[in-house]
Amino acid sequence: KNEVEQSPQNLTAQEGEFITINCSYSVGISALHWLQQHPGGGIVSLFMLSSGKKKHGRLIATINIQEKHSSLHITASHPRDSAVYICAVRPLSGGGADGLTFGKGTHLIIQP
Amino acid sequence: NAGVTQTPKFQVLKTGQSMTLQCAQDMNHNSMYWYRQDPGMGLRLIYYSASEGTTDKGEVPNGYNVSRLNKREFSLRLESAAPSQTSVYFCASSGALSAYNSPLHFGNGTRLTVT
Repeated sequence: KNEVEQSPQNLTAQEGEFITINCSYSVGISALHWLQQHPGGGIVSLFMLSSGKKKHGRLIATINIQEKHSSLHITASHPRDSAVYICAVRPLSGGGADGLTFGKGTHLIIQP
Repeated sequence: NAGVTQTPKFQVLKTGQSMTLQCAQDMNHNSMYWYRQDPGMGLRLIYYSASEGTTDKGEVPNGYNVSRLNKREFSLRLESAAPSQTSVYFCASSGALSAYNSPLHFGNGTRLTVT
């Protein structure tokens, strides 16, 4: 069974700090998604990647397929980055009807 | 751009009551999904529709029914609500047959409480 583990579960940092959120999974995958859930509850797709690295503004996502590991980095963090960050993977075989297994999320708080 | 519109935002039901959660997307997406989110757990798929007229069970389908009325709309029905169905429900859509090569677009969620 595919397991998706995120670390840390909770993270509090000061404004301006460099943030790293990790996602590890146990089976081969074809794609990995990073999602952001705002305090109001809405969920936004940040990245979808299957290799290498992607960057959007202050957010960077990397994936190492061999190590079965992905990281989400936030540079120059800001209080508006406070949210729950969710990792989801699509296994090469199996998986649900939507093909995705979700992590439980990392709750990030950036203090001014 | 409206994206994925989900209604209602909040609902309180008594055990045994029924209700329908509505979802519509204006992005011409083929695939639509219903998830539930509970504290300490990842999002879990309830039902999935790859195209108009087709639906498939997800991880936690018991107690729910769905209808893919047309390409835009995908509704979730609770026929006889139970306290175990207290949760936050999200509708989502994607342009591909699965989330393999297409990002997910989510609605704003419905917070349902069953007493």
